[in-house]
Amino acid sequence: GENVEQHPSTLSVQEGDSAVIKCTYSDSASNYFPWYKQELGKRPQLIIDIRSNVGEKKDQRIAVTLNKTAKHFSLHITETQPEDSAVYFCAARYTGNQFYFGTGTSLTVIP
Amino acid sequence: NAGVTQTPKFQVLKTGQSMTLQCAQDMNHEYMSWYRQDPGMGLRLIHYSVGAGITDQGEVPNGYNVSRSTTEDFPLRLLSAAPSQTSVYFCASSSEGFLEQYFGPGTRLTVT
Repeated sequence: GENVEQHPSTLSVQEGDSAVIKCTYSDSASNYFPWYKQELGKRPQLIIDIRSNVGEKKDQRIAVTLNKTAKHFSLHITETQPEDSAVYFCAARYTGNQFYFGTGTSLTVIP
Repeated sequence: NAGVTQTPKFQVLKTGQSMTLQCAQDMNHEYMSWYRQDPGMGLRLIHYSVGAGITDQGEVPNGYNVSRSTTEDFPLRLLSAAPSQTSVYFCASSSEGFLEQYFGPGTRLTVT
């Protein structure tokens, strides 16, 4: 939705290269920012998340960074592999228990 | 554990018909949510529940009703289906406030 903007909408990288997806949000009180991976015809699956009290979190080849001042957060995938090809969604928890997703990034890793 | 289950997987309705999408979870999660996913628009929150007997509206609640009589079940009702409700519907659950949500397999609904 418009409350979370996500860019780019499509991304193609060569196998082994890095991929970066960026999201911005508008509610300065937002405190939870997850990233989901969705393969074609499947359900979204959580791959990493970050809370507002930390600036970076890493899990093997995946990392998320958060800039609260600028109200944006990013997903970084290093050493990409063909199985990383999927649609990735960012999301943010807003005040009042509302939850918004970005519009998704279709990542293609070219072997 | 089955996790989050949804039925049916596919459904075709005619305009004006009503139906209920079923969602159940066996993880004893307090939070449950319904989303719809449309091409190019990501997932949008329809309704959510913070526990049995408590529900609230999300971003796009119009045309949908929910109730939560048990911790396990969170059905979504379409009272009078419209073509604009053609979408993929996902149910999700979490132990607290949308954190680490687990999604069901989805229901693909077509309204003609």
